Amino acid sequence: EDQVTQSPEALRLQEGESSSLNCSYTVSGLRGLFWYRQDPGKGPEFLFTLYSAGEEKEKERLKATLTKKESFLHITAPKPEDSATYLCAVSDSNYQLIWGAGTKLIIKP
Amino acid sequence: DSGVTQTPKHLITATGQRVTLRCSPRSGDLSVYWYQQSLDQGLQFLIHYYNGEERAKGNILERFSAQQFPDLHSELNLSSLELGDSALYFCASSASGGLVLNEQFFGPGTRLTVL
Repeated sequence: EDQVTQSPEALRLQEGESSSLNCSYTVSGLRGLFWYRQDPGKGPEFLFTLYSAGEEKEKERLKATLTKKESFLHITAPKPEDSATYLCAVSDSNYQLIWGAGTKLIIKP
Repeated sequence: DSGVTQTPKHLITATGQRVTLRCSPRSGDLSVYWYQQSLDQGLQFLIHYYNGEERAKGNILERFSAQQFPDLHSELNLSSLELGDSALYFCASSASGGLVLNEQFFGPGTRLTVL
């Protein structure tokens, strides 16, 4: 069964403390992987699309990487405004999205 | 601002009632997706429409139905409401209908409270 698992469920960091979020997947016929950011009570905001293993994308303090079985979202020197839930979604061979449950990131000043 | 609009922003109703949620996709997008997100839960995919036709169904209850109109806006109808239907309902749009990989852009959501 196709599945997307995100870890950890929650992560508390001090401002400036770098870390990584993980998205592991078992999907046949991967078309691509998406990262989104969601603030409480708001709609998810698109961050990155990764298409193939070895690909990397960066945006400000965020960097997403992809291997054949997982993706990492690295956050460098985070600030309190980076606090949010980060969602991962994988597109299967039928272009249907399978969503992870998210990682809630809290950055303390 | 994603360019996707949803109305109403909040909706409070009673059990057994019926409500309609509305979504307008980004200009030029042909696909509309509906999701449900209960408190502290992940996104649950409900249904996908492309250019007026149903493309895929997820975990959508029989009490729920949707349609996409010729002007591409979409409505999600929820009937015989139960307390457990209280949730955030999101609409997302994308340019393609599922034959090309495109990111989805989400609206601000409708918060439904069933009392």
